[in-house]
Amino acid sequence: GAGVSQSPSNKVTEKGKDVELRCDPISGHTALYWYRQSLGQGLEFLIYFQGNSAPDKSGLPSDRFSAERTGGSVSTLTIQRTQQEDSAVYLCASSLEGAQEETQYFGPGTRLLVL
Amino acid sequence: AQSVTQLDSHVSVSEGTPVLLRCNYSSSYSPSLFWYVQHPNKGLQLLLKYTSAATLVKGINGFEAEFKKSETSFHLTKPSAHMSDAAEYFCVVSTGTASKLTFGTGTRLQVTL
Repeated sequence: GAGVSQSPSNKVTEKGKDVELRCDPISGHTALYWYRQSLGQGLEFLIYFQGNSAPDKSGLPSDRFSAERTGGSVSTLTIQRTQQEDSAVYLCASSLEGAQEETQYFGPGTRLLVL
Repeated sequence: AQSVTQLDSHVSVSEGTPVLLRCNYSSSYSPSLFWYVQHPNKGLQLLLKYTSAATLVKGINGFEAEFKKSETSFHLTKPSAHMSDAAEYFCVVSTGTASKLTFGTGTRLQVTL
């Protein structure tokens, strides 16, 4: 079946602009994660959604970052007033129920460049 | 708290020789451990995972890893490297109900003729 998809694949924006990144998880997966991959910080967790529970936002680096998940499926990560240090690849992953031992399936990522 | 240390940022081997990528972890609880691979300009792909069953785990493409609790290690091995194995490898830990993944800094594997 279809894997995790993300859009856009690349995004170039100017400093101070807002951006929205989209993630479509694997159908039937109730858990959805956002991670960021950057040269300076490596791969780091941002936010986690599981069903109807309150999301785990513990990895969001600042209040400029927010995310929502509508209808338990598609998720949007929004970065307001982008800064150059936000440049990174943003990865989305999903898993069946969010259990510790489950495989997380990753999308191809959105490469964000802030000029 | 959980963390992962990948002891080598870069490993170079000749095609046909064994591969060893080292990983040590720290976790307050019984962890699940994963190895993911990332080929250039490609997404992350699961190689194998340990989830408290057998300590020797076999994965795709001939890779395997052994969970050693006494050494807090989860090293990745392959008996014979292939050119197509050249990629970035990440050791990853997950613990508790949060299930968020903590990644190591990655090991770049180079395979030469």
